[in-house]
Amino acid sequence: GENVEQHPSTLSVQEGDSAVIKCTYSDSASNYFPWYKQELGKGPQLIIDIRSNVGEKKDQRIAVTLNKTAKHFSLHITETQPEDSAVYFCAAGGFTGTASKLTFGTGTRLQVTL
Amino acid sequence: SAVISQKPSRDICQRGTSLTIQCQVDSQVTMMFWYRQQPGQSLTLIATANQGSEATYESGFVIDKFPISRPNLTFSTLTVSNMSPEDSSIYLCSVEPASTDTQYFGPGTRLTVL
Repeated sequence: GENVEQHPSTLSVQEGDSAVIKCTYSDSASNYFPWYKQELGKGPQLIIDIRSNVGEKKDQRIAVTLNKTAKHFSLHITETQPEDSAVYFCAAGGFTGTASKLTFGTGTRLQVTL
Repeated sequence: SAVISQKPSRDICQRGTSLTIQCQVDSQVTMMFWYRQQPGQSLTLIATANQGSEATYESGFVIDKFPISRPNLTFSTLTVSNMSPEDSSIYLCSVEPASTDTQYFGPGTRLTVL
């Protein structure tokens, strides 16, 4: 089955700096790579996703890159703000023809300091 | 996206008892999933709730411990049976609208077993 590794486990940046979180996956059949943000006491919220036919996607201060050959994808947050502080999860998977499934990384706790 | 609600939002239960968690979505969806998130950990898929048929369980999870119902396209329940302190977790429902492999999560149910 799919295995997703995520680094770093914790990340502290100053407000205004950039943050980068990296994930690797093992199953070359995975074709969908979402990122979720989970604030304390809440469910995960989808913030951006990318599919295997795209190398990069951007939404305002958030961008995701995908390298299918190396089987890794990254989340980039620019101009970080205190409200970006949360736990971020990457995931890999997608519809395989018979079932839809996501495997999640272990999470990155991002702290944005003033 | 979809608006998802879960009941109860939290509960404290005695070992040996059972708790049924409800998940309601505001529109018909193809797929519904149940995840467990142990304290400070990532998300682990318990099962896929299939409408009109038995749920599909992941390795390590069995129907006797986690019976699931899905009577229609907008509602599902997960029961945690014969609970022990090791079942203390956040239980999350997610949905996947038709023609997409994007999953949206509910707010979660925080379960503490004493």
